[in-house]
Amino acid sequence: KNEVEQSPQNLTAQEGEFITINCSYSVGISALHWLQQHPGGGIVSLFMLSSGKKKHGRLIATINIQEKHSSLHITASHPRDSAVYICAVRGGATNKLIFGTGTLLAVQP
Amino acid sequence: EAQVTQNPRYLITVTGKKLTVTCSQNMNHEYMSWYRQDPGLGLRQIYYSMNVEVTDKGDVPEGYKVSRKEKRNFPLILESPSPNQTSLYFCASSLLALEGLNQPQHFGDGTRLSIL
Repeated sequence: KNEVEQSPQNLTAQEGEFITINCSYSVGISALHWLQQHPGGGIVSLFMLSSGKKKHGRLIATINIQEKHSSLHITASHPRDSAVYICAVRGGATNKLIFGTGTLLAVQP
Repeated sequence: EAQVTQNPRYLITVTGKKLTVTCSQNMNHEYMSWYRQDPGLGLRQIYYSMNVEVTDKGDVPEGYKVSRKEKRNFPLILESPSPNQTSLYFCASSLLALEGLNQPQHFGDGTRLSIL
């Protein structure tokens, strides 16, 4: 079993829909990252959080440390949100990142 | 412009021919790291560096070498490449907070390596 699991693996939505991507992890962590990878391959860091909730534009990330779970929400989704969304955790006191395998999101007009 | 620059972006080469993928960042970041990305496996860490002359193995270091002689550069060296090292490679950097790696990572655009 992977230490970081994401669901769903694939997601197709209609423009304007509210989207939720989930990330569960089995190790103790000190931080969780959400990354976005566009079809061209480039990776952008969206959020880094260790507790609570963060918001940036239409994106919201939450984390529940007790339940070892994080969610990434996209409100009013748009076709330009189509990308792979990757969850990564920094395990405990290490300086390594462990990655989920990603969620492929396609938003149709 | 703040960026992480990898070169080359694409490379097709043959088994056993030594190659180096360069990575340079202009943000004065202490932390630099190399990852490979394979279908179904996601991103996996190869090596990372906390600062100049400080490097450590990630999860898949076999067949790779790195060096950190200067803060801005972190080259990835494949001494004797093999076909199982065909992959998409990313370099990334970040600041190191007092408590460790709790800063966002900045990624390069990726290098697609094909080893025949």
